[in-house]
Amino acid sequence: AQSVTQLGSHVSVSEGALVLLRCNYSSSVPPYLFWYVQYPNQGLQLLLKYTSAATLVKGINGFEAEFKKSETSFHLTKPSAHMSDAAEYFCAVTGSSNTGKLIFGQGTTLQVKP
Amino acid sequence: NAGVTQTPKFRVLKTGQSMTLLCAQDMNHEYMYWYRQDPGMGLRLIHYSVGEGTTAKGEVPDGYNVSRLKKQNFLLGLESAAPSQTSVYFCASSYFGDQPQHFGDGTRLSIL
Repeated sequence: AQSVTQLGSHVSVSEGALVLLRCNYSSSVPPYLFWYVQYPNQGLQLLLKYTSAATLVKGINGFEAEFKKSETSFHLTKPSAHMSDAAEYFCAVTGSSNTGKLIFGQGTTLQVKP
Repeated sequence: NAGVTQTPKFRVLKTGQSMTLLCAQDMNHEYMYWYRQDPGMGLRLIHYSVGEGTTAKGEVPDGYNVSRLKKQNFLLGLESAAPSQTSVYFCASSYFGDQPQHFGDGTRLSIL
């Protein structure tokens, strides 16, 4: 069985500061891991995915995430926050390539202050 | 290129009424999914399909039914709506299970 825990339902940073959104997962099989972003009144958009090719994954809009098996973590980072990064971020895991059933974390709302 | 289109975008129902939510994708994806999003709970999988004519239960299937008669469409039905089904419903699709899912913009459903 898989599960995802996102630490912190709300994160606030200043514009230009480092963004760090935390995600820990549990999986009995090698996981596929994803980060999605949701802007108000919209669907989810893929930021990046981990599928075992490389532990450091680069995504869109300057985001990246590092897969750490020993810590069962997949934290999302961005060196310098921009006002347009304000949104809700979801970490998700699937352990089944046959079904693709995603288990989502609770979500983290990122606030960017000027 | 529309991607994933959900119809309707908003709906208000009375308890006990029935309705169908439509999801259409134009990317020739095999896999399709229905999720519900509730505050503080992320997205939870209701039902999914791994190909035309197939459906399977997800994490929270009770009170919902689905059909996938055509590859491009995935319908979600509520036979007798309950207030607990007030939520935002998202449809998603992907080529295969290990590929990223593409999401629609959601249907906001309120049941009074």
